[in-house]
Amino acid sequence: NAGVTQTPKFQVLKTGQSMTLQCAQDMNHNSMYWYRQDPGMGLRLIYYSASEGTTDKGEVPNGYNVSRLNKREFSLRLESAAPSQTSVYFCASKRPGREGVAEQFFGPGTRLTVL
Amino acid sequence: GENVEQHPSTLSVQEGDSAVIKCTYSDSASNYFPWYKQELGKRPQLIIDIRSNVGEKKDQRIAVTLNKTAKHFSLHITETQPEDSAVYFCAAGIGNQFYFGTGTSLTVIP
Repeated sequence: NAGVTQTPKFQVLKTGQSMTLQCAQDMNHNSMYWYRQDPGMGLRLIYYSASEGTTDKGEVPNGYNVSRLNKREFSLRLESAAPSQTSVYFCASKRPGREGVAEQFFGPGTRLTVL
Repeated sequence: GENVEQHPSTLSVQEGDSAVIKCTYSDSASNYFPWYKQELGKRPQLIIDIRSNVGEKKDQRIAVTLNKTAKHFSLHITETQPEDSAVYFCAAGIGNQFYFGTGTSLTVIP
């Protein structure tokens, strides 16, 4: 099993450009997540998808859109990148658990710089 | 929404000493409390977790305690080793959502 994979690993954008971050998991998990990690801020939830066909906003959704393409794939799109979106982006997935309790598995991350 | 606070933000200990990291949460509905270790440039990896119906859990040199009444939980690492140096994050889970602390940078001095 590859677990959770993300592409690309690194990306540099100019202000106003758009791009899509890709995430896929091969663990047959229902739930998938997108986080951003900034120095001193921990991990903040951007969007999540509890199951195929559903998406919900997290703490910091502004400037982002997501698509749950199928059970395996969950993409994050920046329509018009801004310097404030410079960050490390992590995708994660989670299997169903009793009362929703289960471990999250993280991808390797995408380091995005917006100039 | 849930608010998770983590202290201290940095911690230095001598090799062999113990390290303790503390977190508080605000929402009594939170029922899952994982701890992640993140090495520089790597992804967060789960090191231990505890459910709300358990007060303490131990795995070799690592233990987590939970006080539901006070809404706080702690990570304890005993007999620290240089390879324990990393950033540690606590989190509180409610259903499908997780809220993370801001991290503790632990340095173990040989």
